Amino acid sequence: AQTVTQSQPEMSVQEAETVTLSCTYDTSESDYYLFWYKQPPSRQMILVIRQEAYKQQNATENRFSVNFQKAAKSFSLKISDSQLGDAAMYFCAYRSAITGAGSYQLTFGKGTKLSVIP
Amino acid sequence: KAGVTQTPRYLIKTRGQQVTLSCSPISGHRSVSWYQQTPGQGLQFLFEYFSETQRNKGNFPGRFSGRQFSNSRSEMNVSTLELGDSALYLCASSLAPTSGRLPDTQYFGPGTRLTVL
Repeated sequence: AQTVTQSQPEMSVQEAETVTLSCTYDTSESDYYLFWYKQPPSRQMILVIRQEAYKQQNATENRFSVNFQKAAKSFSLKISDSQLGDAAMYFCAYRSAITGAGSYQLTFGKGTKLSVIP
Repeated sequence: KAGVTQTPRYLIKTRGQQVTLSCSPISGHRSVSWYQQTPGQGLQFLFEYFSETQRNKGNFPGRFSGRQFSNSRSEMNVSTLELGDSALYLCASSLAPTSGRLPDTQYFGPGTRLTVL
């Protein structure tokens, strides 16, 4: 079974600064997807960024980028120029890429609560 | 395109009752998954449906069940409610798998907040 670990329950960042959230995972699969989801106080789960394991290039989406280290099974999220609206819970998640028993589900980490200080 | 919709958004029930939650996926999406979110356990997978068939089930008791209709809409049912069933129930939809490969992203609805008294 796959596991996802987020070792930072809470983090804070000054507005306009950069912050990095950590995530490690454990899997025996070689083909999978990794995600960062954001959950603001409204509770709506919003996709921030995704990474396919076979792609060596790190994904970027505007101010959000990842550092994907497949051998180390590490998938960190960097938020640049932090804004007040970035304050939320951030969840790292894993999903297999190949159909099969147990493959459809997302496995989530416990989350990191990010506060943005004005 | 409209996003994933869930009804009702809030629900209050008492122990022993049963409840049915509904999820309408994004148009064109045929796979629907359900998750339970609690402060203690975090996000846990309940089950996943594709083409009206349950493809995957998490580690939950038989009181939790679901189904999917031909239009891809899904419902989940919880019978004999317990206090511990109080949670945010999230539904997510994604495209159908192609050539044995899963689509990359699940899109979430706003959730149904269930409170059991």
